[in-house]
Parts: sequence; C-alpha cells; structure tokens
Amino acid sequence: NAGVTQTPKFRVLKTGQSMTLLCAQDMNHEYMYWYRQDPGMGLRLIHYSVGEGTTAKGEVPDGYNVSRLKKQNFLLGLESAAPSQTSVYFCASTYPGKSYEQYFGPGTRLTVT
Amino acid sequence: TQLLEQSPQFLSIQEGENLTVYCNSSSVFSSLQWYRQEPGEGPVLLVTVVTGGEVKKLKRLTFQFGDARKDSSLHITAAQPGDTGLYLCAGGRYGGATNKLIFGTGTLLAVQP
Repeated sequence: NAGVTQTPKFRVLKTGQSMTLLCAQDMNHEYMYWYRQDPGMGLRLIHYSVGEGTTAKGEVPDGYNVSRLKKQNFLLGLESAAPSQTSVYFCASTYPGKSYEQYFGPGTRLTVT
Repeated sequence: TQLLEQSPQFLSIQEGENLTVYCNSSSVFSSLQWYRQEPGEGPVLLVTVVTGGEVKKLKRLTFQFGDARKDSSLHITAAQPGDTGLYLCAGGRYGGATNKLIFGTGTLLAVQP
C-alpha cells in the first residue's frame, strides 16, 4: 500500500515549455486534489476532482489543466510554463465523508527559469 | 483571499519549552484540522475537531476548536526536537460534495536541543 505517489520529484523547465505531473493513489479514494505551496502562503487549491471523468477549478487554476481518466490517477498539466509557476506541487486524496481528512503525496518541486 | 491566518509565522524555541500556535478566521468552519509537514514531505494529519469548544489531546499536543468554530489553537508542552516542522491548520465547510479544505498560512517551528 503506497498511499499517494507523485512523479517526478524534481523538474526544471524553461519558460514556455510544457509538462505533466502525475499523481496516483491506491486507496480507492473518490476525491483528488492538486495544490501548490509557496512560502508564507500555505497550500492553495489548483484543481480538484470528485470522481473519474470529472474535474473542477480551485482557487488558483489559471495556467493549469487537469484530467482524471482513471479513478486512481490525477494529472496536472502546464501547457506553457511561466516563472510564476515555480513552486512545490502536492497531490492529495480523500473519501467522501464528514472528516475531510486528506492524504498527501511527497510533492514535486518545480522550477521554471 | 486567505481566510485562515496563523500566528506566529515562525517560532524558534529551546527543548522543554511550551508554545501555542493560533489559527484565526472570520468565517465559520464545520471542521478544523491540524497537519504537520516535515521538509521534503507532504502534510500529515494530526487531528480533526468538529464541535465548538472541543479539546483533543495527542500526547504532548493539545488542540482546541473555538466555541464559534472560527478559530483554533495548538499547544505543545515540553517541546522536543522531533516536534520541529511546519504546522498547518485547515478548515472544512458545510455543504457541497467536494471535501475541500482551506489551509492556513502555516507556522514554522524549530525546537533546538
């Protein structure tokens, strides 16, 4: 049982390049989330999904796209990277219920030069 | 818009000291969670409180949810170097089927041996 995994762990992009971050969970969770973490800002929600085939915008969605083709995977895409997207990205998952507990992956550190 | 403010932002103390971290909002939350995050890892849930005035204890950590469910505090007794990390509060709201959380700005704690 690996929990939530993220690939890659580190990536350096040049402005304008594209990339996809992969999140996978083996806990059969319905809900999945992508966050970015910047110093002094806590975690901010980019996009989220409440089930296979469904996605929705979070607090800071501009410049990102997502897809949830399989229940266990949630992909985050950057079509044209900008320096402002330099951040640490976290994926999380959870099940429907009142506790709202979320399980996080180890993160991807992305630098855009 | 940051709805959850944490204070202090940084805290450096000696082993054995006590400390309190605060999480404040003008909004009401249906639940309040505290996470701890260590360098290079994702946040890990410490506790969830759901009732106004609720107090929960986890060994040397005491968590309290405000009576009006707008604020929370984390008190650590006799801090140890192993308590070092980033502490994040996160609020959940009634309604919807998304289990979305709003994260606080974070408190970085360093406990010196």
